[in-house]
Amino acid sequence: GGIITQTPKFLIGQEGQKLTLKCQQNFNHDTMYWYRQDSGKGLRLIYYSITENDLQKGDLSEGYDASREKKSSFSLTVTSAQKNEMAVFLCASSKGQGDQDTQYFGPGTRLLVL
Amino acid sequence: GDQVEQSPSALSLHEGTDSALRCNFTTTMRSVQWFRQNSRGSLISLFYLASGTKENGRLKSAFDSKERRYSTLHIRDAQLEDSGTYFCAAEGSAGNKLTFGIGTRVLVRP
Repeated sequence: GGIITQTPKFLIGQEGQKLTLKCQQNFNHDTMYWYRQDSGKGLRLIYYSITENDLQKGDLSEGYDASREKKSSFSLTVTSAQKNEMAVFLCASSKGQGDQDTQYFGPGTRLLVL
Repeated sequence: GDQVEQSPSALSLHEGTDSALRCNFTTTMRSVQWFRQNSRGSLISLFYLASGTKENGRLKSAFDSKERRYSTLHIRDAQLEDSGTYFCAAEGSAGNKLTFGIGTRVLVRP
């Protein structure tokens, strides 16, 4: 088994602030993902990475940067936090092959912008 | 882009009853995954299907192997711990990227 950890659990920011969220996995998975979930809605893909130093844009990449520093970690930066923004950011990973494309999720980072 | 439509949006079940959730896709999909999210927000993978059916305890999922345009999740003998929001997510032809439905909120009552 393995685990995905996300830090911080809660993040309160100011409008215009640059905020960084971190994700670590010990599954030894190749692919990692960042999703955003707004209240009562499904998940939307922000960025994903199929290997170390790789970066692929999702449907919601505008306003975000990401970095796959090493195989086990994937960080997401909100480049300029929007006032009253409130969402949960979920990190996931998968082996990336066939049945091992199953994605496993971290517990999330809850963002609130004042 | 690819669209995933989930139904119903909400479901209330009595313990011990059976029910089904459905996802329709606006285009042919390569695979589908079903997740359950609990009240604390944790997302658990239930099934990954590239075709056919899979069963795990009281849960069973099917993915239309012919046209690959819909998937179902059946809950048998519903228990209180089955409550949560169920999401389906499908992988399109581009690969790697999952498109999520908006979820079905399931409440199982005694």
